[in-house]
Amino acid sequence: ETGVTQTPRHLVMGMTNKKSLKCEQHLGHNAMYWYKQSAKKPLELMFVYSLEERVENNSVPSRFSPECPNSSHLFLHLHTLQPEDSALYLCASSQAGSSLAGSGGSTDTQYFGPGTRLTVL
Amino acid sequence: GQNIDQPTEMTATEGAIVQINCTYQTSGFNGLFWYQQHAGEAPTFLSYNVLDGLEEKGRFSSFLSRSKGYSYLLLKELQMKDSASYLCAVIDSNYQLIWGAGTKLIIKP
Repeated sequence: ETGVTQTPRHLVMGMTNKKSLKCEQHLGHNAMYWYKQSAKKPLELMFVYSLEERVENNSVPSRFSPECPNSSHLFLHLHTLQPEDSALYLCASSQAGSSLAGSGGSTDTQYFGPGTRLTVL
Repeated sequence: GQNIDQPTEMTATEGAIVQINCTYQTSGFNGLFWYQQHAGEAPTFLSYNVLDGLEEKGRFSSFLSRSKGYSYLLLKELQMKDSASYLCAVIDSNYQLIWGAGTKLIIKP
């Protein structure tokens, strides 16, 4: 148990569906992250939020829409996804808040949730 | 470009020692992480190195050589539960975390 929870753990959706992934952290951290993990590939950073403001967006397609209503919750809204979007989506949090560099990074350890296994049919 | 290299897969025997290597070419360096990830679970933090040398933490040790762009994770007295993927990640000069693809470690009895 890392203090970061994600729901749902598994999600199967059609290309025309709209769904949302939820992440919650109980660590009192100020930064939250969305990553995509595909088999045998490095983790891909999608979004970074610091103190509820989006700091980094690594050219992610607009069919992925993040939302951070407060420092403990992070959502990823999905719509009109493609089969190649099938992957494990990981949420992480870290202590860094205002100390994040302009790029959205820091040296703080990131703590991960268990991920949502997404399959797009 | 920036690159992290780790072996894709390694096999070792229960009770033995295994060394997982990581080499990196990044624009600057502000530290290196090792994470463990069991199948279907969250990556969990193992170690952070920013200075050269060996850091020991129980059965696990992590080594860093900044001049060589090289790190390794050493696992001793291997147990079946150590079967997992091990992820190497480097913080570059922009404080971006650059990830390797991970090394899948298989432990055999």
